[in-house]
Amino acid sequence: GAGVSQSPSNKVTEKGKDVELRCDPISGHTALYWYRQSLGQGLEFLIYFQGNSAPDKSGLPSDRFSAERTGGSVSTLTIQRTQQEDSAVYLCASSLARDRVPSSGNTIYFGEGSWLTVV
Amino acid sequence: AQKITQTQPGMFVQEKEAVTLDCTYDTSDPSYGLFWYKQPSSGEMIFLIYQGSYDQQNATEGRYSLNFQKARKSANLVISASQLGDSAMYFCAMRLNTGTASKLTFGTGTRLQVTL
Repeated sequence: GAGVSQSPSNKVTEKGKDVELRCDPISGHTALYWYRQSLGQGLEFLIYFQGNSAPDKSGLPSDRFSAERTGGSVSTLTIQRTQQEDSAVYLCASSLARDRVPSSGNTIYFGEGSWLTVV
Repeated sequence: AQKITQTQPGMFVQEKEAVTLDCTYDTSDPSYGLFWYKQPSSGEMIFLIYQGSYDQQNATEGRYSLNFQKARKSANLVISASQLGDSAMYFCAMRLNTGTASKLTFGTGTRLQVTL
């Protein structure tokens, strides 16, 4: 597709279960971000992938959260042993490599998010 | 570390009027990009406008313009001729262009309500 694609769009899970959220970035985009937004709040950075560089994991809130990016494209965010406070919308974004883009084209595009509810 | 500050939790504007949404930032890096996003009630993040730290002119995109004052570290969004469909949350964000990895840092947002 033309935009960032995320799945599932909605997920309801029981406390203690594991969940996987998928992000398919825009074709050719080597930078990929995961953010979390709780109801009525701003965006909380989780993790950032840039090409073959080591990811910036500084925003992951606990070791229950992990993410991987296979083949430099699709990314999966995994939350193990989900808790109610994990309920949020998880947003994925992508962009072209920073150093290959003139400033006017350095745009980051978001997917529509995966709404996670832990009951 | 970079920081984005949006001091207006909520703003009202009458239809067809112009409105300015404030954003200030803090970074010691010389190279960075500033973004504005719109988030309607449906939840998607819609890119509006981008300003690079070395850009000589203020960015404009249709009814959106960015009032970039580098010395004051401000990047206010100006929406001209407001429309009812402009009612949404607006987020200012910054991304550094130096270093091996750089995340997009967001402000807390401003909720804009356009009235008749």
